[in-house]
Amino acid sequence: DSGVTQTPKHLITATGQRVTLRCSPRSGDLSVYWYQQSLDQGLQFLIQYYNGEERAKGNILERFSAQQFPDLHSELNLSSLELGDSALYFCASSVGVSGSSYEQYFGPGTRLTVT
Amino acid sequence: GEDVEQSLFLSVREGDSSVINCTYTDSSSTYLYWYKQEPGAGLQLLTYIFSNMDMKQDQRLTVLLNKKDKHLSLRIADTQTGDSAIYFCAESIGNTGKLIFGQGTTLQVKP
Repeated sequence: DSGVTQTPKHLITATGQRVTLRCSPRSGDLSVYWYQQSLDQGLQFLIQYYNGEERAKGNILERFSAQQFPDLHSELNLSSLELGDSALYFCASSVGVSGSSYEQYFGPGTRLTVT
Repeated sequence: GEDVEQSLFLSVREGDSSVINCTYTDSSSTYLYWYKQEPGAGLQLLTYIFSNMDMKQDQRLTVLLNKKDKHLSLRIADTQTGDSAIYFCAESIGNTGKLIFGQGTTLQVKP
């Protein structure tokens, strides 16, 4: 158990809908990362927050957004869902953003299926 | 550019050593990581190496880094059936810590 929690574990929804994925980082970790894992794209970095502020952005679609709250949990919002958004979404956390505090610990993931 | 390449499959016999290879392109990488993913599970951090090191040993795991060739390897000694999983190599980019992952190497351990 990495200490990172993600809810829900599974999510099935229809095209055009909107969903929210939630992540709680390890105790003491200030940085949260979101990744998408799909068969065709592999593991892709989406976005990073550090202590409430957006720190880095990757291949995140405009239909997707995220935020990190004062209690450090994070939410990833996916809207106007398409079949191609079906994937495993991972959250990871780390203490900080430099040196060995880069060690990222991953949650169990949320499996999203869009039908 | 940011690209990490791995071979897709490796099969070994129980008790043998496994060597999983990875190449990366970004010369500014500060840390390089190995993660393990078992079926239906998240990614487990196995080990990492700082870019100014050549080697790191952690129990049965040995990481070798050739910075000139941008080549990273993970050696698992005395491979067990429980080591069967997908192994991902990743590099951290810039000062954010975001990770760029390889495609993953499926390790099959035969009894």
